[in-house]
Amino acid sequence: DAGITQSPRHKVTETGTPVTLRCHQTENHRYMYWYRQDPGHGLRLIHYSYGVKDTDKGEVSDGYSVSRSKTEDFLLTLESATSSQTSVYFCAISEGSGQGEAFFGQGTRLTVV
Amino acid sequence: KNQVEQSPQSLIILEGKNCTLQCNYTVSPFSNLRWYKQDTGRGPVSLTIMTFSENTKSNGRYTATLDADTKQSSLHITASQLSDSASYICVVSAHFTAGNNRKLIWGLGTSLAVNP
Repeated sequence: DAGITQSPRHKVTETGTPVTLRCHQTENHRYMYWYRQDPGHGLRLIHYSYGVKDTDKGEVSDGYSVSRSKTEDFLLTLESATSSQTSVYFCAISEGSGQGEAFFGQGTRLTVV
Repeated sequence: KNQVEQSPQSLIILEGKNCTLQCNYTVSPFSNLRWYKQDTGRGPVSLTIMTFSENTKSNGRYTATLDADTKQSSLHITASQLSDSASYICVVSAHFTAGNNRKLIWGLGTSLAVNP
């Protein structure tokens, strides 16, 4: 999977608790993305990063924050998890923005109970 | 509104048969069109990327076509194998003139089952 590792792979958490998902890459790609995938929806962009400490919102960013302190790591935090955030989360990397190929991690299945 | 629509929603074929998946889009301004394969429980994997000037692109038994005038694309799978069972997702990249930013618009995918 092109040197992308997501952790954890599975997580069950309670409503109201903070949750952090980690994406680690070994490809030195500039762009990193967090998506969520839900039945009936295409992949939806949550946040993305175009460099260390450079991040921007995607189309479904409410309730999520991100940080990128190193090129290789991109963290997604759910400040206070809600049941609507139960989903499969994918991290992706690319060298350019929407031009070249994007590589995806294996996904994190998050369940908020 | 930028949209990507795929058909059929699901498809069942016998091993060894060919099939064609369709993608229609209303995305502007167009940058490129991608086809991804997503196995159950895995992340999407890129099959092809086509720009405006490319009509056909192949990747092994997968051949994608693009008609930028009609805004249609197809993915043809030849001599299907059991391992082709997956979701196939069409994604169109929109190019915004502000900076170098591009946005990916994802289709819902076609779920393909190849039976022995």
